[in-house]
Amino acid sequence: AQSVSQHNHHVILSEAASLELGCNYSYGGTVNLFWYVQYPGQHLQLLLKYFSGDPLVKGIKGFEAEFIKSKFSFNLRKPSVQWSDTAEYFCAAHGSGNTGKLIFGQGTTLQVKP
Amino acid sequence: GAVVSQHPSWVICKSGTSVKIECRSLDFQATTMFWYRQFPKQSLMLMATSNEGSKATYEQGVEKDKFLINHASLTLSTLTVTSAHPEDSSFYICGGTRAYEQYFGPGTRLTVT
Repeated sequence: AQSVSQHNHHVILSEAASLELGCNYSYGGTVNLFWYVQYPGQHLQLLLKYFSGDPLVKGIKGFEAEFIKSKFSFNLRKPSVQWSDTAEYFCAAHGSGNTGKLIFGQGTTLQVKP
Repeated sequence: GAVVSQHPSWVICKSGTSVKIECRSLDFQATTMFWYRQFPKQSLMLMATSNEGSKATYEQGVEKDKFLINHASLTLSTLTVTSAHPEDSSFYICGGTRAYEQYFGPGTRLTVT
């Protein structure tokens, strides 16, 4: 069955610390991968996406993610977090060529202490 | 670009009544729209896939007669929660797809009393 799994449910960091959020997927066939962020009281926003090509993807606000096919992973990273990065982060996937139906991971709550 | 709006943003209704939520793609045409439900501090659960001009496809466990979806045009999809009950209280989010990328509305908070 298709699934997306996020290992870290709640992460607490101090400002300037480095961040890595895990995401693993289980999909048959080619997969497109996404990271979304949901700031408190706001709607989901796309941070970055991977369709093909360079497995290291750079997104907005200094975030990046690396697609490692052999590990079925698409971990999100940021070298130095800020208090404003406090939010919910969701990894998502859909099979390439379909209508864009997304399967979401469970989400990770990131709390950055000033 | 790629803005999706939802209306209303917040609604309170009495048990047994029906509520309609609108989802509009403001600056693009969305052949496919998706409806999600999100519980507090949880992930988005896909309820149904809505295609313009055809019947919606519901995920397993979602009652199609309770959650009526209509995709009347390439920019409008509606979700009607019929005979709402307190357990239907939740945050409902729609998403419109453009070029395999999904753009989300701000969500609608439904509270059934």
